[in-house]
Amino acid sequence: EAEVAQSPRYKITEKSQAVAFWCDPISGHATLYWYRQILGQGPELLVQFQDESVVDDSQLPKDRFSAERLKGVDSTLKIQPAELGDSAMYLCASSPREDLYEQYFGPGTRLTVT
Amino acid sequence: SQQGEEDPQALSIQEGENATMNCSYKTSINNLQWYRQNSGRGLVHLILIRSNEREKHSGRLRVTLDTSKKSSSLLITASRAADTASYFCATPPSGSARQLTFGSGTQLTVLP
Repeated sequence: EAEVAQSPRYKITEKSQAVAFWCDPISGHATLYWYRQILGQGPELLVQFQDESVVDDSQLPKDRFSAERLKGVDSTLKIQPAELGDSAMYLCASSPREDLYEQYFGPGTRLTVT
Repeated sequence: SQQGEEDPQALSIQEGENATMNCSYKTSINNLQWYRQNSGRGLVHLILIRSNEREKHSGRLRVTLDTSKKSSSLLITASRAADTASYFCATPPSGSARQLTFGSGTQLTVLP
């Protein structure tokens, strides 16, 4: 069964350092989402791509976060510089072109900023 | 901002018992979805119910939707230890383009 791949699974970094996360969605899925999930809360959308275009990045802290999906397939989320408050689970999800909005999630990257 | 809110925040039951969790939302929706998240993992889609449906079943899961009360419930029958997880409802926010807004979740613990 096809899955969304994410790497790394865990990342520990010092504050002010740069960190990057990678996501490979299910083949053929046009829509890709990056979420941040703080412990004990639900996922919150950071950025949404349709193919290679950004559909919504209104919740992305653009002074330090950036995201790209250059060829409309895999995607990278970057934080520079990392802050202590960025410690969270970063989840990637994808969905097919159909309208049902069901999303398929990767295993996530657990980020700890020290 | 969160569209859906689950209740209770935490639920602990014995294996074999039924578990019911509720979700309330604020604005009109065309569908509502439930997801499960095992500790430290990604979310898994469980079931989607459309706004014109009142009840839907999938295996041991039963979901109801009451659009007049803007609420939904998820019932897990004959629970197992493997059902221990966080459960989230998700709804498309008003005017969204293929987005979902998730609640804070219900943490279900099934004791063997």
